[in-house]
Parts: sequence; C-alpha cells; structure tokens
Amino acid sequence: GNSVTQMEGPVTLSEEAFLTINCTYTATGYPSLFWYVQYPGEGLQLLLKATKADDKGSNKGFEATYRKETTSFHLEKGSVQVSDSAVYFCALSRANAGGTSYGKLTFGQGTILTVHP
Amino acid sequence: EAGVTQFPSHSVIEKGQTVTLRCDPISGHDNLYWYRRVMGKEIKFLLHFVKESKQDESGMPNNRFLAERTGGTYSTLKVQPAELEDSGVYFCASSLQPQGPPYNEQFFGPGTRLTVL
Repeated sequence: GNSVTQMEGPVTLSEEAFLTINCTYTATGYPSLFWYVQYPGEGLQLLLKATKADDKGSNKGFEATYRKETTSFHLEKGSVQVSDSAVYFCALSRANAGGTSYGKLTFGQGTILTVHP
Repeated sequence: EAGVTQFPSHSVIEKGQTVTLRCDPISGHDNLYWYRRVMGKEIKFLLHFVKESKQDESGMPNNRFLAERTGGTYSTLKVQPAELEDSGVYFCASSLQPQGPPYNEQFFGPGTRLTVL
C-alpha cells in the first residue's frame, strides 16, 4: 500500500536558519505529492504541491522537488521565521495514468517545527 | 467565502457514550473527506463522499463509526459506543469535483478533538 515517512521531530531552529524536513514515500501508480501545514489552532493548509517527477513546488519561501528516483519530496526553506512555527505534513494522492485523482490523501506522521527569535 | 467548519471543536465523553461530529464543507464542494489523527501519529483517511454517496469507506475502523451526508451538504460522523482508542482529532476536508489536473486540493477544517475517558 501507499505510505509516507517523515523525519522524526520535533525540529527546533533559530530564526534565519536553514530548514530541511525529509519526506520519502512508497506508492503505486502516479502519485501527486503535497506538503500541508497546520498552524496552532487552525486546520491544515496546503503549502505546496508537485504532480509529476522533477516538478518543484514552492510557496512562501518553501520549496520541495518531486524526486522519483529517490522517492522523496523534502521540504526546504533558506531562512525560517518565527511565524513558520507549525506542524508540517507530507502527503500523497494517487492518480491513474489518465490523471484522474483518487482523492484520498496518505499522510506522514507530521513534524513539529519551532523557530526561536 | 467561508471555509470548512467543524463542530464541536472539543468533545469529552465517557467510554460507551455516543458522540456525533459535524462537518460543513465549502459551499459547492461535492467531495467531502473524513480523516483522523490519533496520539500524534499520522493523519489517516476514514472515508470519502461524493455528494451524498460514499465513494470510499475503506478507512473506517469498525462498525461503531457511522458517517452520513444527507442531501450532499453537511456530514456527520457518529461514534457509538465510543471506546478509549477513538480519542484523537477528527478532520474534515472538502474539494471540488476534480477535472483536468491530477490533483484535487482538499481544504481542511480545524478539526474536532475527541477525548474518550
């Protein structure tokens, strides 16, 4: 079956530090890959996505590249801010060769990020 | 435009009692999903509605869980009778009917935290 593995947390960084959160996946078919973020007291929000190999998703200074050869989708940011403190979830959604999504998301366990001033 | 809303935000019940969670999706979204996160682990898919029909209920843990979406609008998830292991955060998400792209962005509610004592 499909699965997503994220690096163990929590991750604690100082402001302006470089961030990497590792994510690897196992999936059949043609998965789309996502990073979701959950800020305190809020629901999950889509941070970025990539729908095919070698695609790079980016948003709010975060980036992740869909690497089919290593089945990875690591999240990076060059300079984190205190406001980036949140829980980050890597996820995948399968799709068939015709591009129709199966809909349901498979998540990793989440990584808590705390950024100190 | 209002986002996905869930009620209640917290619920504390005793083992053996019944609890009903409600989700109001974004207006016009045909797809509605229920997920659960238990004890800081990964978020797991429970089921998927397309309008009022259950498209995929492969993630429902057992027959103590009953989900409905009468009229294709809001959805309820009833747990009867509740057990200790049902404690966790229940998320609802909604999306438009996917067309074209292989991904299907899901918009999440803030979740209902259920504690079974």
